[in-house]
Amino acid sequence: QKEVEQDPGPLSVPEGAIVSLNCTYSNSAFQYFMWYRQYSRKGPELLMYTYSSGNKEDGRFTAQVDKSSKYISLFIRDSQPSDSATYLCAMSDTQGAQKLVFGQGTRLTINP
Amino acid sequence: NAGVTQTPKFQVLKTGQSMTLQCAQDMNHEYMSWYRQDPGMGLRLIHYSVGAGITDQGEVPNGYNVSRSTTEDFPLRLLSAAPSQTSVYFCASSSWASDTQYFGPGTRLTVL
Repeated sequence: QKEVEQDPGPLSVPEGAIVSLNCTYSNSAFQYFMWYRQYSRKGPELLMYTYSSGNKEDGRFTAQVDKSSKYISLFIRDSQPSDSATYLCAMSDTQGAQKLVFGQGTRLTINP
Repeated sequence: NAGVTQTPKFQVLKTGQSMTLQCAQDMNHEYMSWYRQDPGMGLRLIHYSVGAGITDQGEVPNGYNVSRSTTEDFPLRLLSAAPSQTSVYFCASSSWASDTQYFGPGTRLTVL
């Protein structure tokens, strides 16, 4: 069993829909939680960062962490075709985003 | 700032050949790492370094070698290429206080 599990999709939704992406994990030592966005043939880039449990909002994006359930989520409101990408959750037990453990990634397509 | 640069962008090798993937960063980051990305597997950590002269193994180190003689450079060596090493390789860097690792554009490697 992988330390971090993420449904690889693919997920296809119409423009304007609310998108929910999720990951579960097994290592209770993880304290730093990240969501990366990766466009085709590009390197991953940080979208959201959360330390420990709680919610964080940035524009149309909201990240949630529930450490008691070992479950993290990313919500995208008013989704746009430009949001079409692969979304990767990542976690670490050390500060400085060191030794990241990634989920498999979810391929998301927003249809105009 | 160029950020994290990787060369080459593409490479085709024959089984048994050796080669070095280059990675450089100009952000004076202490921490550098190499990941490989395979379909359905997310990114997996190969090797990492917390500073010049210090390296350690990640999740999938077999068949790869690293060294770090300067803060800026972190090359990855394939000792004897195998078809199982066909993948996309990403180099990343971060500082102790970072929320994220900064990823390079990747090297697409095919081993025949």
